[in-house]
Amino acid sequence: NAGVTQTPKFQVLKTGQSMTLQCAQDMNHNSMYWYRQDPGMGLRLIYYSASEGTTDKGEVPNGYNVSRLNKREFSLRLESAAPSQTSVYFCASSESVAGVTQYFGPGTRLTVL
Amino acid sequence: GDSVTQMEGPVTLSEEACLTINCTYTATGYPSLFWYVQYPGEGLQLLLKATKADDKGSNKGFEATYRKETTSFHLEKGSVQVSDSAVYFCALTHNYGQNFVFGPGTRLSVLP
Repeated sequence: NAGVTQTPKFQVLKTGQSMTLQCAQDMNHNSMYWYRQDPGMGLRLIYYSASEGTTDKGEVPNGYNVSRLNKREFSLRLESAAPSQTSVYFCASSESVAGVTQYFGPGTRLTVL
Repeated sequence: GDSVTQMEGPVTLSEEACLTINCTYTATGYPSLFWYVQYPGEGLQLLLKATKADDKGSNKGFEATYRKETTSFHLEKGSVQVSDSAVYFCALTHNYGQNFVFGPGTRLSVLP
């Protein structure tokens, strides 16, 4: 099984450009998540989707939008990238949001110039 | 709100040394506690977990015991290897629909 996959692995954007980060899981999980990882701050939740058809804001949603395309796929969109969004982005999935293990993708390293 | 505090490091040890990475948490109720490990260039992987007080999680020679009285979940290993070099994250989640809260991570470097 591939688990959780993310594309692209690396991306460089100029300020104001837009892009979509893609995430897919093949574990038939109901819940999916987007995190960003910044030095010294651990992982912070951007958005999550408890189940297909629902999305909710996490700790740091400003500047981002998400789409739960189907049960497998959960995308993260930056409409107008800013240097403050330079980070490593991780997608994760789990059977539900209630106290169970999350499984992470390999990450996307994004640099905004 | 909930929070997780852990020593940030970096922690540098010689091979076969003993390891302890401290983790304490602030949370209502009885969260589940986790240690995740991130190897260079990779995503996070679950290392071990404990779901109730006094439970001990263990995996790959690592152990951590859920201490409700001290709100702690310290990670320990008796003899580290070079291959244990990674960043270790302590995390918690509740059983009633809350999401994960991660600590800042502790970078471990093990020298041969």
